[in-house]
Amino acid sequence: GQQLNQSPQSMFIQEGEDVSMNCTSSSIFNTWLWYKQDPGEGPVLLIALYKAGELTSNGRLTAQFGITRKDSFLNISASIPSDVGIYFCAGRAQKLVFGQGTRLTINP
Amino acid sequence: DAEITQSPRHKITETGRQVTLACHQTWNHNNMFWYRQDLGHGLRLIHYSYGVHDTNKGEVSDGYSVSRSNTEDLPLTLESAASSQTSVYFCASSSGGAGGNNQPQHFGDGTRLSIL
Repeated sequence: GQQLNQSPQSMFIQEGEDVSMNCTSSSIFNTWLWYKQDPGEGPVLLIALYKAGELTSNGRLTAQFGITRKDSFLNISASIPSDVGIYFCAGRAQKLVFGQGTRLTINP
Repeated sequence: DAEITQSPRHKITETGRQVTLACHQTWNHNNMFWYRQDLGHGLRLIHYSYGVHDTNKGEVSDGYSVSRSNTEDLPLTLESAASSQTSVYFCASSSGGAGGNNQPQHFGDGTRLSIL
């Protein structure tokens, strides 16, 4: 079945640093989604991407739908403490498939 | 505001018991989904529904069942709870017909289920 490889699994950074994470797959997807999950809560949608090559921003967050349709990345600029959490990518062909998550920790 | 709510938020039960987790959405979404979240596995799809009276098996459906008698609700039932089903369960919904293939899913806050 379809699988997503999300990396890195965890990140420890200083406040103010930029963050980059990505998802890759051997399968082609029609849609890429990026979610953030805070402790005790469900994933919340950050960015949705629908076309190969699409680059979309949401405040300090920027995500891109790879040209090959097999990958996507998420960047966070000038990180702040509230960015802490687990970030999930999800790709959809017939079904929505989730990456295993990137746990972001920020040192003030 | 429209929302998706799960209940209970926490439950402890014994092996062999039947357990039902509730999911209720007020967006009038056609599509509803149940996932379980475990360390090292991310979110895995259990069952899903594209409309009233429609149900489909996901990646990890064994030991679970769902029913869709109206648009708003998709209860998840564990017929005979097993310790391997200890997990955090998330319900999600999305708009659009035939699976709403281009519409993002919106998630509830989860149910933490412990089976002793």
